[in-house]
Amino acid sequence: GAGVSQSPRYKVAKRGQDVALRCDPISGHVSLFWYQQALGQGPEFLTYFQNEAQLDKSGLPSDRFFAERPEGSVSTLKIQRTQQEDSAVYLCASSPGADSYEQYFGPGTRLTVT
Amino acid sequence: GENVEQHPSTLSVQEGDSAVIKCTYSDSASNYFPWYKQELGKRPQLIIDIRSNVGEKKDQRIAVTLNKTAKHFSLHITETQPEDSAVYFCAAGGKLIFGQGTELSVKP
Repeated sequence: GAGVSQSPRYKVAKRGQDVALRCDPISGHVSLFWYQQALGQGPEFLTYFQNEAQLDKSGLPSDRFFAERPEGSVSTLKIQRTQQEDSAVYLCASSPGADSYEQYFGPGTRLTVT
Repeated sequence: GENVEQHPSTLSVQEGDSAVIKCTYSDSASNYFPWYKQELGKRPQLIIDIRSNVGEKKDQRIAVTLNKTAKHFSLHITETQPEDSAVYFCAAGGKLIFGQGTELSVKP
């Protein structure tokens, strides 16, 4: 079946611009996670949804970062007033939820802030 | 919070040899430990995982062991092949906390 998809795959933004990154999870998956991966590093947790509820946003680096999942399916990560340090790959993962912990990742969005 | 340390950072083996990557974690409440393989420019791919009520799990050439008392877990790859070359990440928890990664190179 279809895996997790993300769009756009690449985004170049000028410093100060706002960006929106989209994640389409595997159909029926309850849990959705966002991670940030800097070059040469492991993914770092940003935020977690269970259905439409954002249960953990402890990893969001500043109040410029905002995520939503209004209907419990597609999620959007928004970054306002982008800074150069925001340049990274943003990964989305979904999980069936309940007793299942496995997370399946999307291909990521590579954000470059110039 | 959880902290995961991974060693070594790079590992080079000959084709057919075994490779072992080790991770330690800090939060004794963690109960889920996956391993991901990531090729350059690609998404992390789940290759094997283990829960805290199990000490060892095997899937063909890949195995994972968990020592809850010592809070460490390891990935074992036997009969390595060139296509095993990639970066491997361990992780712990529900909201996954990842190790720093191990770049595995399998030389033909």
